[in-house]
Amino acid sequence: GAVVSQHPSRVICKSGTSVKIECRSLDFQATTMFWYRQFPKQSLMLMATSNEGSKATYEQGVEKDKFLINHASLTLSTLTVTSAHPEDSSFYICSAKTATYEQYFGPGTRLTVT
Amino acid sequence: AQSVTQPDIHITVSEGASLELRCNYSYGATPYLFWYVQSPGQGLQLLLKYFSGDTLVQGIKGFEAEFKRSQSSFNLRKPSVHWSDAAEYFCAVGHYGGSQGNLIFGKGTKLSVKP
Repeated sequence: GAVVSQHPSRVICKSGTSVKIECRSLDFQATTMFWYRQFPKQSLMLMATSNEGSKATYEQGVEKDKFLINHASLTLSTLTVTSAHPEDSSFYICSAKTATYEQYFGPGTRLTVT
Repeated sequence: AQSVTQPDIHITVSEGASLELRCNYSYGATPYLFWYVQSPGQGLQLLLKYFSGDTLVQGIKGFEAEFKRSQSSFNLRKPSVHWSDAAEYFCAVGHYGGSQGNLIFGKGTKLSVKP
């Protein structure tokens, strides 16, 4: 299957700082990528849909000014958590959609805000 | 509303026993379906997918799933479970023409394997 990478895998930051997470499709082009958040022992919650060359579409209740998404190329989307607070601590997972509607997921990023 | 139900939160089976994980969906349009597996602290790995054609699909690691339109189900099966299959399993549904192809996920079923 296709490979999606995420970087970093783990990050610890102080409250009030910003953190950038990268999501890359390594062997295919993805016009659409998705960002999810997963709370402990729960399913994935879709945060936003990232389209190459256009603004991201955010799900209801997700603050677009707090979770900045940039999809600069067909293989890279970034999620920046701005002015992070402890409640933003979570597991963030991205996925990339192929032209045939399959979605491949990255390994996730564990964010801890102290 | 569109939804995916995995009725079993936690299942325990003995190693070597057969396994069936249930998934039911509620969708207004023709769906396509996936099963993913997640180990602790990891991302999701695609096990298998159904888009059209043969309703019995084979996946990786010896898993298979059967799409039953009349029952709105897409249950995952494995004839003989291995200890390494212990993980969280998610069923996901999308539909053609849907909002940019995003998926609806079930809440997951945690599989434990007894030696």
